Amino acid sequence: EPEVTQTPSHQVTQMGQEVILRCVPISNHLYFYWYRQILGQKVEFLVSFYNNEISEKSEIFDDQFSVERPDGSNFTLKIRSTKLEDSAMYFCASSADRATNEKLFFGSGTQLSVL
Amino acid sequence: AQSVAQPEDQVNVAEGNPLTVKCTYSVSGNPYLFWYVQYPNRGLQFLLKYITGDNLVKGSYGFEAEFNKSQTSFHLKKPSALVSDSALYFCAVRDGSNYQLIWGAGTKLIIKP
Repeated sequence: EPEVTQTPSHQVTQMGQEVILRCVPISNHLYFYWYRQILGQKVEFLVSFYNNEISEKSEIFDDQFSVERPDGSNFTLKIRSTKLEDSAMYFCASSADRATNEKLFFGSGTQLSVL
Repeated sequence: AQSVAQPEDQVNVAEGNPLTVKCTYSVSGNPYLFWYVQYPNRGLQFLLKYITGDNLVKGSYGFEAEFNKSQTSFHLKKPSALVSDSALYFCAVRDGSNYQLIWGAGTKLIIKP
């Protein structure tokens, strides 16, 4: 089965630093998402992206966050100035069809630790 | 407001016994319901979904789920548990007007040999 690939698997950074989390969605998918899961808490939606623009975003996705599809294969999440509370597992996902919310394919996640 | 509840933090089942992982939901419109599984050090994997049609939905790895509109539930079931089913299971929901998935807190399923 095709896979969504995320790099790095672990990222440690100092508070206030910028981080970029990388994702390679499944090649023929058109909809891309970022979710996060703080340890012991629920999975939370951050943002969805289609046709080179954000289609939906949650309250969590404030001005410190941005997403980009810099080329035909990568989808990145940037956190401009990390805070301690940004420590979480970040999941990228992609889907072929958003209209019926067909199944999302998730990457294995990037564990971000902000010190 | 949309919400999902998974009332059990952990479910323990002996191998070979049937298992049930509970999920109840609240949405304003028609619910689109999903189950995902998370194995250790892995991403979330899709198990099954209910959009419309037959209330009993069959999915991956022998799992099924039953949509019950009157009880607003979508419990995950399997007739005979395997040790390899041990994982974290998440229920998720959205309504027809909103594309964001709302997630339950997850239920840890432990299958003992």
